[in-house]
Amino acid sequence: AQTVTQSQPEMSVQEAETVTLSCTYDTSESDYYLFWYKQPPSRQMILVIRQEAYKQQNATENRFSVNFQKAAKSFSLKISDSQLGDAAMYFCAFTNAGKSTFGDGTTLTVKP
Amino acid sequence: DARVTQTPRHKVTEMGQEVTMRCQPILGHNTVFWYRQTMMQGLELLAYFRNRAPLDDSGMPKDRFSAEMPDATLATLKIQPSEPRDSAVYFCASGLPTGHGQRETQYFGPGTRLLVL
Repeated sequence: AQTVTQSQPEMSVQEAETVTLSCTYDTSESDYYLFWYKQPPSRQMILVIRQEAYKQQNATENRFSVNFQKAAKSFSLKISDSQLGDAAMYFCAFTNAGKSTFGDGTTLTVKP
Repeated sequence: DARVTQTPRHKVTEMGQEVTMRCQPILGHNTVFWYRQTMMQGLELLAYFRNRAPLDDSGMPKDRFSAEMPDATLATLKIQPSEPRDSAVYFCASGLPTGHGQRETQYFGPGTRLLVL
């Protein structure tokens, strides 16, 4: 079974600064997808970024980028130029064969 | 702007009552997932369907929960009878396998907040 670990229950960042959220996973599979989802207080799950395991290039989406280290089974999310609207809980997820496993989440606070 | 829709958004009911939650996947998506989110357990996969056929419902308590896809535009999750421990937010997500390995990105609905008294 796959496991996803987010070792930081809470993180905070100053507005306009950069923050990195950690995620590690454990799997014996070689082909899978990794995701970061954002869940604001509204509880809506919003897709932030996606990484295919077969791609070596790290995914980027505007201010969001990942550092994907396949050998280390690490998938961290970097948020640059943090904004107040980035405050939310962030979930890392692993998907293979149609099933997803989610981490326990990291609550990000953005300080003005 | 294509979105997954879920109804109702909020539901308060009494123990023993039947609860039905509905989900409309994004048009064209052929995979539908049901998740439950609680503080204690986090986000748990209950069941998922592809092309309306159930592929995995191992995460779902069989004695009281049932999930169906009567057609491609509707997925339902029923709890009968409901219990206080079922109180949670229930999310539906849909996806369309594409690309290498035919994996899908899951797009979540807004969730149904269920409170069973």
